[in-house]
Amino acid sequence: EIVLTQSPATLSFSPGERATLSCRANQNIGSFLAWYQQKPGQAPRLLIYDSSNRPTGIPARFSGSGSGTDFTLTISSLEPEDFAVYYCQQRITWPPITFGQGTRLEIK
Amino acid sequence: EVQLLESGGGLVQPGGSLRLSCAASGFTFSSYAMTWVRQAPGKGLEWVSTITGGGGRTYYADSVKGRFAISRDNSKSTVYLQMNSLRAEDTAVYYCAKAIEAARISLDYWGQGTLVTVSS
Repeated sequence: EIVLTQSPATLSFSPGERATLSCRANQNIGSFLAWYQQKPGQAPRLLIYDSSNRPTGIPARFSGSGSGTDFTLTISSLEPEDFAVYYCQQRITWPPITFGQGTRLEIK
Repeated sequence: EVQLLESGGGLVQPGGSLRLSCAASGFTFSSYAMTWVRQAPGKGLEWVSTITGGGGRTYYADSVKGRFAISRDNSKSTVYLQMNSLRAEDTAVYYCAKAIEAARISLDYWGQGTLVTVSS
């Protein structure tokens, strides 16, 4: 089973700052990684798929990079609505589909 | 507009059963794999099950294998999750989600979730 590790569990930033979130896989997953955002009481929202692709409607301030075992989600300039929990997910080897444990982005 | 609407959640005793439904609209339902993901209170996301577009292949997390069954009715654009032998640890919000492309399991649309509580 592929294990995804997101660190740290919580990050604190101010609006306008640049945030970088990390996701590490315990084996090579190519570029088959997605990122989701989840706000309290809401369903997750897909932000990035296949490491760096943004679905239609996702703001350009969200970008993803990485391949192999190390991946990054970057938010170039934090908006107030970006403070949420972010999950990574792999799809190269399944079942099972696996998610990281999440990183909470909080306002400093 | 893609919409996914789950129903069927509720309170059930340990050992009981529930069937969740997810009604889809706004896309060619039979062309996409569908997935159930759950989230226990205060916890992260856990993949539960996936079914291919035609319904011919199903996949399960080890934690639910042998107890849960996923199915779909493409004529009704609905996917189901039959949950048997429920345990306290199955308590969670259950989301259905659509694959971004056929069986490419990045999940681009999600329902609002339905809460399942297993308790005596």
